[in-house]
Amino acid sequence: DAMVIQNPRYQVTQFGKPVTLSCSQTLNHNVMYWYQQKSSQAPKLLFHYYDKDFNNEADTPDNFQSRRPNTSFCFLDIRSPGLGDAAMYLCATSREGKDEKLFFGSGTQLSVL
Amino acid sequence: AQSVTQPDIHITVSEGASLELRCNYSYGATPYLFWYVQSPGQGLQLLLKYFSGDTLVQGIKGFEAEFKRSQSSFNLRKPSVHWSDAAEYFCAVGDPTGGSYIPTFGRGTSLIVHP
Repeated sequence: DAMVIQNPRYQVTQFGKPVTLSCSQTLNHNVMYWYQQKSSQAPKLLFHYYDKDFNNEADTPDNFQSRRPNTSFCFLDIRSPGLGDAAMYLCATSREGKDEKLFFGSGTQLSVL
Repeated sequence: AQSVTQPDIHITVSEGASLELRCNYSYGATPYLFWYVQSPGQGLQLLLKYFSGDTLVQGIKGFEAEFKRSQSSFNLRKPSVHWSDAAEYFCAVGDPTGGSYIPTFGRGTSLIVHP
């Protein structure tokens, strides 16, 4: 089945140690998103790509970066994780267009020790 | 900027009972409106969406929602809840003026279903 796959399901890192989260898709969608979801809070958009065009939300910390080497893959890099960055990170995709829904992966739960 | 309020953090219903989850939005005109569901350990799944037209929209899994402009609401309903409906439900709003269907999410309502 076509889907959005996030690896790993759980990620543990140390305070200040760089970490990369991965997302891949078999839907051939041109738009990809990264959301941060903290416990009991709304998913918050960090950034998204229209093809290779990167769109950063204004309040996304500089500590968060992203790469999209091709249509299928997208990475979230946290350069120096702090305790406050512990959260569920959700990747989503969509086809560009007004009437398209987002398809989400199952998320990566990041813990920072 | 648009925003969404889901006033109920938790809702508990008995299996077979009807359900209504509340959602209020803040936006200057008619926004794009969505309901997503998140089962434990899963990503979000779109239940239904409203862009324009008929204010009562039907979704998957027997859910429906009604857009009420006068109340700035988009409440989600289901006539008879099943135990498998236990999940987190997120209302979301998009910004039509920018042509953006990218949802801004509410904080979610956790649905608990008693047998």
